[in-house]
Amino acid sequence: SQTIHQWPATLVQPVGSPLSLECTVEGTSNPNLYWYRQAAGRGLQLLFYSVGIGQISSEVPQNLSASRPQDRQFILSSKKLLLSDSGFYLCAWSAGFSNQPQHFGDGTRLSIL
Amino acid sequence: GQNIDQPTEMTATEGAIVQINCTYQTSGFNGLFWYQQHAGEAPTFLSYNVLDGLEEKGRFSSFLSRSKGYSYLLLKELQMKDSASYLCAVSNDYKLSFGAGTTVTVRA
Repeated sequence: SQTIHQWPATLVQPVGSPLSLECTVEGTSNPNLYWYRQAAGRGLQLLFYSVGIGQISSEVPQNLSASRPQDRQFILSSKKLLLSDSGFYLCAWSAGFSNQPQHFGDGTRLSIL
Repeated sequence: GQNIDQPTEMTATEGAIVQINCTYQTSGFNGLFWYQQHAGEAPTFLSYNVLDGLEEKGRFSSFLSRSKGYSYLLLKELQMKDSASYLCAVSNDYKLSFGAGTTVTVRA
């Protein structure tokens, strides 16, 4: 069966520091991969998605970037965090066809001080 | 653009039925998904509709009318563990656009 791992679960970072969040998927090949952010009490905002290695689509202009160095690895990064980057970050995967359900990792709660 | 609307909150009694409505106006449509999200946790997939009509999965059912841009999630025989946020999401190609979610509180 397929599993998705996301870490760390919780992160507290100072303003201006860098960020790296990692997500890996097991038990499937060529998944679609996604990064979302959820602000407190709000819906999910799609940040990035990828349908293949090295292919990244950005949904909103922001202080973040994403990379997919391997088929089942998706990384969310920032060079300098802003206060507004605080939130609940979720990685998700779906089978490599359109119209498939997305399955989420446990999420990373990021607090910027 | 994407516009997905669902009520912010609903309250119901244990054992009762609750219907969560979702209306959407989107630039593309391939299907509609429902997710459950408990406080502090990640969303989990509940159901999926691509054609008009009702899909039933145990205590949960979901309905879709594409011509009306409308869906609902029906939760039957409510249990305390059903207290959560329920997210409506519209699929367009590989992407999902989510509504803000409906927080359902189940009272004893």
